Amino acid sequence: AQTVTQSQPEMSVQEAETVTLSCTYDTSESDYYLFWYKQPPSRQMILVIRQEAYKQQNATENRFSVNFQKAAKSFSLKISDSQLGDAAMYFCAYVSNTGNQFYFGTGTSLTVIP
Amino acid sequence: KAGVTQTPRYLIKTRGQQVTLSCSPISGHRSVSWYQQTPGQGLQFLFEYFSETQRNKGNFPGRFSGRQFSNSRSEMNVSTLELGDSALYLCASSVAGRGTTEAFFGQGTRLTVV
Repeated sequence: AQTVTQSQPEMSVQEAETVTLSCTYDTSESDYYLFWYKQPPSRQMILVIRQEAYKQQNATENRFSVNFQKAAKSFSLKISDSQLGDAAMYFCAYVSNTGNQFYFGTGTSLTVIP
Repeated sequence: KAGVTQTPRYLIKTRGQQVTLSCSPISGHRSVSWYQQTPGQGLQFLFEYFSETQRNKGNFPGRFSGRQFSNSRSEMNVSTLELGDSALYLCASSVAGRGTTEAFFGQGTRLTVV
């Protein structure tokens, strides 16, 4: 079964600094997708970034980038120039290329310190 | 383009009652998935519907059921409510198919069972 592990329940970062959130996953499949979702206090799950497993190049979206290490089954999120609005719960998620069920990690609560 | 709409936003029910939650996906999306989010268990997959057919089901008791209509709107029903059913219920929609590249989430329905 697929599992997603986020080992950092809480993280904090100074405004304008950089922070990295960790995620590891376990799967026997070779083709899948990985996501980082953000859940602010409004509870809306918002897609931050997506990575296709078949792509070697790490995905980037403005201030957000990932370090995808397929062999190590690691998928970390780097947030550069952190802003107050980045404060939220961040979830790492996995979905197989043959399914539509997301497997989520337990989340990392990110605090941004002014 | 309207997002995923879940109604109601909040519900308070008594043990033993039943409840129905509704989810309207993004126009053109045919897949709707439901997730339960609790502090203790995190985000857990309930079921997924595609073109009015349940395609996948998580490990929940039969008290949890759902359906999807021809316009892709989905409902989930929980019968004989228990205190442990108190949770945030999230609905996600995606365009179709296996190997979804992105799921869009609603704001959720907060169910409290007393």
